[in-house]
Order: sequence, then structure tokens, then C-alpha cells
Amino acid sequence: DIVMTQSPLSLPVTPGEPASISCRSSQSLLHSDGFNYLEWYLQKPGQSPQLLIYLGSNRASGVPDRFSGSGSGTDFTLRISRVEAEDVGFYYCMQALQDLSFGGGTKVEIK
Amino acid sequence: EVQLVDSGGGLVQPGGSLRLSCAASGFTFSSCWMKWVRQAPGKGLEWVANISPDGSGKYYVDSVKGRFTISRDNAKSSVFQQMNSLRAEDTAVYYCVKIAGGQRAYWGQGTLVTVSS
Repeated sequence: DIVMTQSPLSLPVTPGEPASISCRSSQSLLHSDGFNYLEWYLQKPGQSPQLLIYLGSNRASGVPDRFSGSGSGTDFTLRISRVEAEDVGFYYCMQALQDLSFGGGTKVEIK
Repeated sequence: EVQLVDSGGGLVQPGGSLRLSCAASGFTFSSCWMKWVRQAPGKGLEWVANISPDGSGKYYVDSVKGRFTISRDNAKSSVFQQMNSLRAEDTAVYYCVKIAGGQRAYWGQGTLVTVSS
């Protein structure tokens, strides 16, 4: 089983400032097809998870360009260049290489 | 446009059964692995089950083995999850998820299962 570890658990942020979340996997997520099967989601209260980034670094349709994903293999990062108030919620990373598994989540809140 | 519509959730007593459905459209259903994911109230996300494109391969998280059965009907572009011997800890929103190589994942809107007397 692939174990996903996210940090930090909680991230107080100041609007307009950058923020980043780390996600590590217990095995490489780099497939032989050249893709890293790692996605990032934001879940707001009472809502389903919404996709932000797929295949490690591809921004999903409609996602603001202040969100970016990077990394390969076992280490990945989600960055928000300038946090906005609407970005609060729980962020999850998910690996899709073997079954599915998720990081424990990072709660982003405004300071 | 890819669409997944989850249904079948509801209130059921401990030990009871429920059958979830996911109706898919907008892609070649018979070529894709399909999965179920759940989220208990106030908790994180948990993978529950997988089914291969032809339905021959089925995999489950340990906590539901022997109680849940995933299946599919490629002619109707639908995936199902039969849930028996339900427990309070199975209470969650259940989502069907589509995964395909070199692409993003797609999720249904979720269906709430509540196991309570």
C-alpha cells in the first residue's frame, strides 16, 4: 500500500502572502508512461473535493493560476502564490498509481 | 463532458444492506477502472474498492472485505456497490471515481450513507 504523508496539518495564512503544502509518498508515483499520478484537492465545508492539480503539475480547468503543483517521484508540493480568503478549507493530496490513497489533509485558515 | 452521478444512499440500521449506483457518461466506460471512495463525517478520504474495466478484477480495503461487493454493467455504463452487514463506522459520503491513464480523475457528487438505529 502507498502511504501519503502531508504537512503541515494546519496552515494559518495571511491574504496576499504565499503558502505551500508538502506531500510525500512511500513509493514513487512516477509511472512508466512518464506521468506522476498525484492530484491535489481542495474541500470546502459541506462540499465535495474539487480538483486543483492533476498528474503532479497540471492545473485543472477553471483553477486560478495562483495554484501550482510541482515535484516528482515521492516528493510533491502545492503552492499558492498569493492566498485569497476563498482559498480556506482542507487540502488533500491523492495518489492514483495503485488503488487510491490520500494524505491526511491540511487545514488552511486565515490568520 | 464526463459525468458521474452517484445514488442509492440513505438511512439504514446496523446489520442492514444498501446498494449504491454510479451512472457514467461522456467517456468510454468499458475502458476505465472505476473506484469507490468514502469520507466519514469530519474525517479524511478513504479508498474503498476498485473494479477493472472488464469487471474481472476487484479489490477492497480490508475493513469492507467480505461485506461490500463492487460490480459494473458496461452496457449501462454503471458501477455499483452492494453493501451488506453495515456498521456505524460505514457512515460516510460515498463517491465513485474514474481513473484513466494520463488523465485527471473524475468524481461523482457523492451519496450519503447513514448507519444508525
